[in-house]
Amino acid sequence: EMQLVESGGGLVQPGGSLRLSCAASGFTFSSHWMTWVRQAPGRGLEWVANIKPDGSGTFFVDSVKGRFTMSRDNAKDSLYLQMNSLSAEDTAVYYCARHDYGAWWFDPWGQGTLVTVSS
Amino acid sequence: QSALTQPASVSGSPGQSITISCTGTSSDIGKYKYVSWYQQPPGKAPKLMIYEVSYRPSGVSYRFSGSKSGNTASLTISGLQAEDEADYYCCAYTSSDSFVFGAGTTVTVL
Repeated sequence: EMQLVESGGGLVQPGGSLRLSCAASGFTFSSHWMTWVRQAPGRGLEWVANIKPDGSGTFFVDSVKGRFTMSRDNAKDSLYLQMNSLSAEDTAVYYCARHDYGAWWFDPWGQGTLVTVSS
Repeated sequence: QSALTQPASVSGSPGQSITISCTGTSSDIGKYKYVSWYQQPPGKAPKLMIYEVSYRPSGVSYRFSGSKSGNTASLTISGLQAEDEADYYCCAYTSSDSFVFGAGTTVTVL
């Protein structure tokens, strides 16, 4: 069974940093694009970033460019999102999900990890 | 990139059919076949229901179907059941090599 498990969320002060992780199992992680999607409390889904299977390219929504970086360790079947200069607008549940080049849909999704930016 | 436009809520009685619309632009829905739909029950993670406009993943009920015309995509749920109550989101690939979601539609079974 394909599974994605996020971790690393928590409470962080404005201007602070946080690193999220996503552990994959049940599929060949190194063969797939991966993505992060977030959902602010009571709000809709927002695509944040994605990364190529070999980690050679990353793409971000404009609102996080220059603040967030995305990486992966295919030897550990793990995905990461480094978030810097956080603001209240970044408060959200962050989900990781799998997709493929030319297969632009997300499946499966993890259960999400909550990031709260507050003083 | 502005969010795709969805109705905030749609409701129906058990057994009825409902349709959720999702309107984008010629740079996303109108340009590509990459429209997908996700079901999100309260407090749960999203689940893929439809991909490439009209294809159902294995395990998704035949009662869910998708279509597209111009810049508008649609999700139809036929034979509405209580278990279908959830938020539904459309998503489209864009000409900016990014993705845009709709604001979500809450489906209520009366």
